[in-house]
Amino acid sequence: GNSVTQMEGPVTLSEEAFLTINCTYTATGYPSLFWYVQYPGEGLQLLLKATKADDKGSNKGFEATYRKETTSFHLEKGSVQVSDSAVYFCALSLNYGQNFVFGPGTRLSVLP
Amino acid sequence: ETGVTQSPTHLIKTRGQQVTLRCSSQSGHNTVSWYQQALGQGPQFIFQYYREEENGRGNFPPRFSGLQFPNYSSELNVNALELDDSALYLCASSLSFRTSGANVLTFGAGSRLTVL
Repeated sequence: GNSVTQMEGPVTLSEEAFLTINCTYTATGYPSLFWYVQYPGEGLQLLLKATKADDKGSNKGFEATYRKETTSFHLEKGSVQVSDSAVYFCALSLNYGQNFVFGPGTRLSVLP
Repeated sequence: ETGVTQSPTHLIKTRGQQVTLRCSSQSGHNTVSWYQQALGQGPQFIFQYYREEENGRGNFPPRFSGLQFPNYSSELNVNALELDDSALYLCASSLSFRTSGANVLTFGAGSRLTVL
C-alpha cells in the first residue's frame, strides 16, 4: 500500500539552527510529494511540493528534493525562527489528487 | 478569494448520536475532500466529492456519508457515533486534477468533534 514515514518528534531547536525533518514514502506509481504545516488551532497549509523526481520544492526558506532512488523528500531550512514552531506533515498524492496520504507529523519547537 | 470555511468549530455529542459537519469550498474550487485527524496523528482520507458524486473513499465504514451541493459546498454526516470518532474533521477543497492538472489541497481550520 501507499504510506509515508516521518522522523518522530518532537524536535526542539534554538533559533537560527539548521533543520532537517526526514520523510520517506512507499507508493505504487509515481506520486506527487508535499509538505504541509499546521499551526496551533489551524488547518493544514501547503508549504511546498514536488511533482516528479529530482524536482526541488521551496518556500519561505524551506526546501525539499524529490529523491526517487531513495524514496525520500526530506525537509530542510538553514536557519529556523520561533515562528516556524508548528507540526509538519509529509504527504503523497496519487490518482489525480483523489487521495492524499499523510505521515504522522513532526512537531517542531524553536526556542529563542 | 475566500478560503475554506467549516462549521461548527467545536461540538460535543454522545455515543449513538448523529452529527453533520459543513464545509464551504474556496472560491473557484469544484472538488471537496474530507479527512479525519485523530489527536497526535496525520489526517486520514475519508472521501472526496466531485460534481456532487463520491469520487473515492478511504477505509471508513458506511456510517460516514457525505453530500456535495451545486455550489460545491459539502456536508459530512456520521451516524451512530462511537468514542473513536472523536477527532478533528478537516475539509479540503481543490480543483479537479483532470481539468486543471493541479492537485493541491486547501484546508479549512476543521471541526473538532468530541464523543462522550
